[in-house]
Amino acid sequence: EVQLLESGGGLVQPGESLRLSCAASGFSFSSYAMSWVRQAPGKGLEWVSTVTNDGGRTYYADSVKGRFTISRDNSKNTLSLQMNSLRAEDTAVYYCVEVVGNGWPLSQWGQGTLVTVSS
Amino acid sequence: QSALTQPPSASGSPGQSVTISCTGTSSDIGGYDYVSWHQQHPGKAPKLMIYEVTKRPSGVPDRFSGSKSGNTASLTVSGLQAEDEADYYCSSYAGSNNLNVFGGGTKLTVL
Repeated sequence: EVQLLESGGGLVQPGESLRLSCAASGFSFSSYAMSWVRQAPGKGLEWVSTVTNDGGRTYYADSVKGRFTISRDNSKNTLSLQMNSLRAEDTAVYYCVEVVGNGWPLSQWGQGTLVTVSS
Repeated sequence: QSALTQPPSASGSPGQSVTISCTGTSSDIGGYDYVSWHQQHPGKAPKLMIYEVTKRPSGVPDRFSGSKSGNTASLTVSGLQAEDEADYYCSSYAGSNNLNVFGGGTKLTVL
C-alpha cells in the first residue's frame, strides 16, 4: 500500500523559510516522479512542483518559481520542498503526490501538511 | 482564476446520472489526452478517479467514466450513491512549463 507522510508544516512570518518533507513507502520510490500540490483554505487545488524519478528534471508553477526548490533522496525514499521568501498567499495545505503514468497524472496523495504564513 | 472552468455545483438523486464539465483550451485539454479527475471529500486528501481522459485506476467503480470533446472534458457518475457527494476537480497536462492545470472544482450533491 502506498503511503505518503508529509511533515514540516507550521506557522511562519512573511519572508521566512520552511522545508517540507514527505516520507514515502509501499512502492518503488525511485521509479516514479513526485509532485507537490497545494490547496489554500476553502479553495481549489494548485499544482506547485514536480521532480522526475531520478531528480534530473524539475518543474515549477510560475507562482513559486525562484522561491521554492523541490528535491528528492531516493536512498531515503524522501521528497522535499524548500520554500523561501514565503508570502501570505502561500498559506495552504501542501500535498505530496506520486505521479504514475503518461501526462503526469497525480496518482496517490498524502494527507497533507498545513503551512500558514502570517505576521 | 483557475485555468480550467468547471460549474461550481451539480446535483442528482440516488440512482441518477450526473455529468460534470471541464472546459479548457487547445493548449491544455484540447491539445492532449491527459485529463484527470479527482474526488475530494471534506477534510480529506484528493483521490484520483479518472486519468488519460477515460481510464480508471484500480478500485474505482465503473460508475465513474470520463470523456472529451475538443476543449471540454466530462466526468459522468452513473447510479449516484450517497458516498459520491464530494468535490470533483479536473486537471490537464498543459505543456512542459505547466505540468498540471486544475479546474476550480465542482461540488456534487446527492439529493
